[in-house]
Amino acid sequence: KNEVEQSPQNLTAQEGEFITINCSYSVGISALHWLQQHPGGGIVSLFMLSSGKKKHGRLIATINIQEKHSSLHITASHPRDSAVYICAVKRRDFGNEKLTFGTGTRLTIIP
Amino acid sequence: KAGVTQTPRYLIKTRGQQVTLSCSPISGHRSVSWYQQTPGQGLQFLFEYFSETQRNKGNFPGRFSGRQFSNSRSEMNVSTLELGDSALYLCASSLKPGVQYFGPGTRLTVT
Repeated sequence: KNEVEQSPQNLTAQEGEFITINCSYSVGISALHWLQQHPGGGIVSLFMLSSGKKKHGRLIATINIQEKHSSLHITASHPRDSAVYICAVKRRDFGNEKLTFGTGTRLTIIP
Repeated sequence: KAGVTQTPRYLIKTRGQQVTLSCSPISGHRSVSWYQQTPGQGLQFLFEYFSETQRNKGNFPGRFSGRQFSNSRSEMNVSTLELGDSALYLCASSLKPGVQYFGPGTRLTVT
């Protein structure tokens, strides 16, 4: 079982819909990141969370440390939101701190 | 401010050869991390450098190595290339923990 699981793997929605992408992890973490990767390969760091909730424009990220779960929400989705969204957890492993990534959620927003 | 730059952008090498990839971080950023992305394994953390010292390391064989120079520029070297090393290699720089800025990547093809 992967340490970081994302769902769904693929998501297609109509423009304007409210989008939720989920991330569950099985290890103790110090922080969780949400990343966005566009078709050309470029990656943008969206959020880093260690507790609670963060909002940036139409994007909202939440984390529940007790349940080892995080969600990324997109309100009023737009075709330009089409991308792969990747969750990554930061944890300490034998004194070594590293990021472990989920496999990503491919989001397609149809006009 | 210029973003993270990586050179070369594309590279084709033969099995058994070695390769060096370069990453120039955003001016003032002292932390540089390297990642490998493949269709099968997704994104994986290679290593992180801070002020010329390797601070964290992922689970990659010793054929993968890196270094950071006094101007924060970083290089990654892969020796004795294998077909499975074909991947997109990404570097990211950060000024403070948590917020990483990714470069466009170097796409390495090993034949």
